[in-house]
Amino acid sequence: DAKTTQPPSMDCAEGRAANLPCNHSTISGNEYVYWYRQIHSQGPQYIIHGLKNNETNEMASLIITEDRKSSTLILPHATLRDTAVYYCIVRVATGGGSNYKLTFGKGTLLTVNP
Amino acid sequence: EPEVTQTPSHQVTQMGQEVILRCVPISNHLYFYWYRQILGQKVEFLVSFYNNEISEKSEIFDDQFSVERPDGSNFTLKIRSTKLEDSAMYFCASSRKGTVLETQYFGPGTRLLVL
Repeated sequence: DAKTTQPPSMDCAEGRAANLPCNHSTISGNEYVYWYRQIHSQGPQYIIHGLKNNETNEMASLIITEDRKSSTLILPHATLRDTAVYYCIVRVATGGGSNYKLTFGKGTLLTVNP
Repeated sequence: EPEVTQTPSHQVTQMGQEVILRCVPISNHLYFYWYRQILGQKVEFLVSFYNNEISEKSEIFDDQFSVERPDGSNFTLKIRSTKLEDSAMYFCASSRKGTVLETQYFGPGTRLLVL
């Protein structure tokens, strides 16, 4: 799986959009970008994933650059409960075996301030 | 909404003792996983399990660890002889299928403290 780089921490004001960047410059054509988050000491929670098109669900939007070397997770109206560590994970889409596991990095600690 | 559950939420044990951590995956899921997170460190993959067999295991998952699906609902992680360095949060996860596009759903974790 391709390596990802995320800032260690970010702040956001409550009610504002939180934009979390991720660099994955070595991503290959069959690798998906996944985002999970972990609220303090809880189990990781799936947010969204995408291949090359922008994606949106009830939690967030995922913007992937045209060259796919970076992406941004957008929480449109951050709340205090969105304070968490956000993980950007790149995963190969084909095959089995080692593709099953999730490989977590250090992620970005997003702190939403009142 | 269906969720993965884990018991106990906290477990304190003496070094050298055996512990069994229990998980109830989401009912129609077929793939099961254990991860662990030492305090202040990354979430690390331990093992994946499908069709009553280990699909993959990490270097961490040595002979002291074993997994089992003893019945149709539970999925367990056993540590035979705990060490101090086994102290961590242990997360169970499950997914419908094993493909990378299937979301893994995580339980709330068991905090294991080895004294």
